[in-house]
Amino acid sequence: QLVESGGGLVQPGGSLRLSCAASGFTFSTYSMSWVRQAPGKGLEWVSYISTSSSPIYYADSVKGRFTISRDNAKNSLYLQMHSLGAEDTAVYYCARGYLENTFDMWGQGTMVTVSS
Amino acid sequence: EIVLTQSPGTLSLSPGERATLSCRASQSVSGNYLAWYQQKPGQAPRLLIYGISSRATGIPDRFSGSGSGTDFTLTISRLEPEDFAVYYCQQYDSTLWTFGQGTKVEIK
Repeated sequence: QLVESGGGLVQPGGSLRLSCAASGFTFSTYSMSWVRQAPGKGLEWVSYISTSSSPIYYADSVKGRFTISRDNAKNSLYLQMHSLGAEDTAVYYCARGYLENTFDMWGQGTMVTVSS
Repeated sequence: EIVLTQSPGTLSLSPGERATLSCRASQSVSGNYLAWYQQKPGQAPRLLIYGISSRATGIPDRFSGSGSGTDFTLTISRLEPEDFAVYYCQQYDSTLWTFGQGTKVEIK
């Protein structure tokens, strides 16, 4: 399973670090992504990291502000977020990479609210 | 960036009826990189279909996917009460993943 943590209320311009703890599978053999969902809206892919941490990809909306990383020894995925704005308010899901570039396992999500 | 447009926005049907959901891409989807997800309120998405037409593990055979190029379809042959949810299509192209805006299947 995947369990996200680290969400919360942050002021505009602030920073936050999300974590995703993986268990029940060999984490190091799977690519991982972050996908977010603004309240009442659809799904938006945010970032991807391969098994060895290279390559890494970002959506244009977060490029230069967010950094994805992983620690295979700790079975953990991270998302460091800087310069947060209201448009970043969303539930953030970590998701496991699967066949044909899909996502077959999702966490329960962690809510990030950017507001003063 | 490939944009996915789903239709209709909302589908009102009764249990036992057939549901046909459409996903149209702004340009041809490369490879077989088209998937469908189901999401219920307060829950994470669940992968239903990958590679256009392959069912994910544990997905009942009443769910089927089809299509090619820019036009794709998710069909639910006979709606069960637990199938009323929002459905998203998703594609991958050149290091970008995009989702459609979703189709809500509601009880009529």
